[in-house]
Amino acid sequence: GENVEQHPSTLSVQEGDSAVIKCTYSDSASNYFPWYKQELGKRPQLIIDIRSNVGEKKDQRIAVTLNKTAKHFSLHITETQPEDSAVYFCAAGGSNYKLTFGKGTLLTVNP
Amino acid sequence: EADIYQTPRYLVIGTGKKITLECSQTMGHDKMYWYQQDPGMELHLIHYSYGVNSTEKGDLSSESTVSRIRTEHFPLTLESARPSHTSQYLCASSATSAEKLFFGSGTQLSVL
Repeated sequence: GENVEQHPSTLSVQEGDSAVIKCTYSDSASNYFPWYKQELGKRPQLIIDIRSNVGEKKDQRIAVTLNKTAKHFSLHITETQPEDSAVYFCAAGGSNYKLTFGKGTLLTVNP
Repeated sequence: EADIYQTPRYLVIGTGKKITLECSQTMGHDKMYWYQQDPGMELHLIHYSYGVNSTEKGDLSSESTVSRIRTEHFPLTLESARPSHTSQYLCASSATSAEKLFFGSGTQLSVL
């Protein structure tokens, strides 16, 4: 089955700095790569996703890049704000609509 | 408002009790999932369903069972709860032709 590795497990940045979280996956059949944000005590929510036919996708301050050859994808957050503090999960999935999640990254943005 | 609902939000029970965690969605989605989230944050798929009368075990072995008699309802049952079942249980759903998951607020289960 699919295996998703996520790094780092914790990340602390100063407000205004950029944050990068990286994931690798094992199954070359995976073609869908979402990122979820989970604030403390709340449900995970999708923030951005990318499909295998696209190399990069951007939505305001967040962007995701995908390298299918190397089987890795990354989340980039620019101009971080305190409200960006949360746990971020990457995931990989294929045509069976099952997602395998990474272990999560706790991002702390210090004012 | 279309949403996915889980009850109870918190549950503390004794060892050996039978419990059912409820999950209902008004999103009109065919696919539903149960994830177990451990204190270290990781999400593990324990059950999923692609439609009525369809249920499958996920990647993480679980002693729980599920049923899908109605499209909108996907309850999870533990016949005999044990302390190792202490965890947060998240229900999710997705549309027929899409992978985007919508999560419920979760049930935090504590077995004493």
